[in-house]
Amino acid sequence: DTAVSQTPKYLVTQMGNDKSIKCEQNLGHDTMYWYKQDSKKFLKIMFSYNNKELIINETVPNRFSPKSPDKAHLNLHINSLELGDSAVYFCASSQMSGAGNTIYFGEGSWLTVV
Amino acid sequence: GENVEQHPSTLSVQEGDSAVIKCTYSDSASNYFPWYKQELGKRPQLIIDIRSNVGEKKDQRIAVTLNKTAKHFSLHITETQPEDSAVYFCAATYGQNFVFGPGTRLSVLP
Repeated sequence: DTAVSQTPKYLVTQMGNDKSIKCEQNLGHDTMYWYKQDSKKFLKIMFSYNNKELIINETVPNRFSPKSPDKAHLNLHINSLELGDSAVYFCASSQMSGAGNTIYFGEGSWLTVV
Repeated sequence: GENVEQHPSTLSVQEGDSAVIKCTYSDSASNYFPWYKQELGKRPQLIIDIRSNVGEKKDQRIAVTLNKTAKHFSLHITETQPEDSAVYFCAATYGQNFVFGPGTRLSVLP
């Protein structure tokens, strides 16, 4: 069974479109994350939710909106997609937020904006 | 905020040799330092971690050392094998967040 699963795995879309990436974890974790990995492989936190509440909101354009309907799900909606949004988006989860808690990553969603 | 630097950015070693990757961090309050391995096209996966009350930790061919005074920690891989080829990321805690280093691409040449 996949611990952290995200869909779709690949997404090719045109500039200006709106798209969503879904994420689910079956580990019973309280904290979920969205990370962005660009072409240079930098891993940057975008958002973090603890038990459905937003706890980290890094400086990302407000075209990106996370939604957590329950603590097992954290979806990412992106409006008005731009070329620079092309990246791999990783969902992740951990038992709790903060030190000592291993982060488990999903398989990633490869977003290409053309 | 926390800043994590990682060196080298690329590293090539002969199979059987050792590899060392070094990271420095800026926030003296950081107290947990995991290392992740990301194979091509795959997700990052935890390979080893260390807490601030420990100076060294080993797991078979992998070891991590921590110098809190100098604010740096290192990953050591001995007897490298081709399957060790991947991008390795260090990370440090910053409040409720993890900050990742920029990654090291390790190539183990047969």
